[in-house]
Amino acid sequence: AQKVTQAQTEISVVEKEDVTLDCVYETRDTTYYLFWYKQPPSGELVFLIRRNSFDEQNEISGRYSWNFQKSTSSFNFTITASQVVDSAVYFCALSVYNNNDMRFGAGTRLTVKP
Amino acid sequence: DSGVTQTPKHLITATGQRVTLRCSPRSGDLSVYWYQQSLDQGLQFLIQYYNGEERAKGNILERFSAQQFPDLHSELNLSSLELGDSALYFCASSRSSGRGTGELFFGEGSRLTVL
Repeated sequence: AQKVTQAQTEISVVEKEDVTLDCVYETRDTTYYLFWYKQPPSGELVFLIRRNSFDEQNEISGRYSWNFQKSTSSFNFTITASQVVDSAVYFCALSVYNNNDMRFGAGTRLTVKP
Repeated sequence: DSGVTQTPKHLITATGQRVTLRCSPRSGDLSVYWYQQSLDQGLQFLIQYYNGEERAKGNILERFSAQQFPDLHSELNLSSLELGDSALYFCASSRSSGRGTGELFFGEGSRLTVL
């Protein structure tokens, strides 16, 4: 069975601080996909990134970066120089090949204070 | 804007009633997924359709049903509503055939309140 754990329920930082959101996943499948989604106060879920299990390269997109480590089954998300607009709930998700049941973590609520 | 449209945005109804939630996927997407987001259960996968056919079922109650029409829009029917059905219901669409590979694009959700 697939499982995603986001141990941090809430994080509060001050603007311009760096913040890392943790995600640990469990699966026995060798082909799987990891995702991060953002849910701002307006409610919609916004896709941020997808990573497949064969690609452990870290990725950077502007102030966002992701660290995928199969050895520790983690897919962590770092926001550099956080901004108030980054305030949202962030979800990590996992799906395995040939299975349409994408499992989401419980989410981490990030509050960035001015 | 994800391109996925859901209606209604808000719905208030009474226990025992039946409601229908509607979803139009992004142009070109053949897969439609329904998710339920509640405070105690988090984001739960309900059901997926691909090009009109049911592809996968998650934690969907028997009181709930869904379908995808030839024009690819989808409807989620919730009947004999209970207080615990109050939640945010998301529709998502994807280009992929649903082998777990593609990213999902979510609508803004339909917030259902059962009184």
